[in-house]
Order: sequence, then structure tokens, then C-alpha cells
Amino acid sequence: DTAVSQTPKYLVTQMGNDKSIKCEQNLGHDTMYWYKQDSKKFLKIMFSYNNKELIINETVPNRFSPKSPDKAHLNLHINSLELGDSAVYFCASSRTGPGNTIYFGEGSWLTVV
Amino acid sequence: GESVGLHLPTLSVQEGDNSIINCAYSNSASDYFIWYKQESGKGPQFIIDIRSNMDKRQGQRVTVLLNKTVKHLSLQIAATQPGDSAVYFCAENSGYSTLTFGKGTMLLVSP
Repeated sequence: DTAVSQTPKYLVTQMGNDKSIKCEQNLGHDTMYWYKQDSKKFLKIMFSYNNKELIINETVPNRFSPKSPDKAHLNLHINSLELGDSAVYFCASSRTGPGNTIYFGEGSWLTVV
Repeated sequence: GESVGLHLPTLSVQEGDNSIINCAYSNSASDYFIWYKQESGKGPQFIIDIRSNMDKRQGQRVTVLLNKTVKHLSLQIAATQPGDSAVYFCAENSGYSTLTFGKGTMLLVSP
């Protein structure tokens, strides 16, 4: 009965590689997000999609490309990985509009070596 | 830009004590606030929320207080248990559906 699920949970990869993180939600929400949490636990929005349309892109390098094949999925593809990309990436979803609770996945721990 | 911040990075309490976690926000236009709990190795989990037309809201063992005059938000946990040990974040609705998170406070509960 997982609400927001993302894979993989752990990913260790070398600099320069391309990797993807997948996310699926079964809550029937039509807005999905990617958040990044750094080593100091600071959570910052990266992208927001509503019904497969990009709503928010918060000054994220264009090496990061989200893809939403349908409103239940929002995948994150990262090209040419850099050391500074090491972080925990959280997928989340909510109903559309302000004041709706955002539900988070369990996170994907990315380590770039 | 405007941001949400926390006063205390770590709060240590004894089991059974009441805990109070504080948060200051600077965006006076924010109208919705949420507290999240993040346990080690997990994603943030919704605890309780409050809208700007309220100053207090109670849940099970938790109470959120909102003081719009001084732009202050607090989370009170009654009879704190070891299972409450986690990092707690306040967040404000910053437009459309997104949230701006504060820096987080770690709550450590000792038996």
C-alpha cells in the first residue's frame, strides 16, 4: 500500500555517468515534485509537475531532466553526474493547489564518487 | 529571498517531558504551514498543519501554535516518547502547491 515509491533507494556511481531515479504514486494526485536534501538536511524544491506539465523549475542545472509519462509517474534523469550532485532526492505528490498536504517518498540516496 | 528558519538545531528531552520546537518565518503572505517529521533513513512525514486564519490546532499529542504578529510557529509534543526522536521541519506554502522548508530541528528523546 505504498503511497509514493521511488527507486533505487541507494545509488553509487562515478562522476560523468548518467543515471535515473523513478517515482510512482498511487494516491491519485495530479501534482508531483522532486526535492533535494543536502548533507545539512536542508530540503529544497527542484521541480513540480501538474498533470504531466512542468510547473516549477527552481534553477536546477539542465543536466537534470524530469520526465512525466503520466500523472502517476515522475522520473528524474541526471546527465554527467558531478560530485556535488550527491544528496538525497525525494519524490512527492499532492492534490493540485495551495494548502494541500504533500506526501513524500522514502528518498533515493545518490553518492557520486 | 524570504525563508523559513528554526531557532534550535538540537533539542534533547527526557521521555515523558513535553517538547516545544520553534520556527520563525519571514513571508507574511504565507497562509498555510505544515510540520513534518523525518526519521533516519526515511522521507518527511506529515504531522499537522495550520492555516493562517487559525492560531492553534491540536492533533494526537501534538499542538501547533501560530503567532502571525511575530511570524512564529511552534510544535508542541506532549509526553514525548523515544519514537518521537527525529528531525522536525516546519514548512510554509510558498505559492502554487510548493513548500519552503525550514532548516530542521533534531529532537532526541532519552528514556
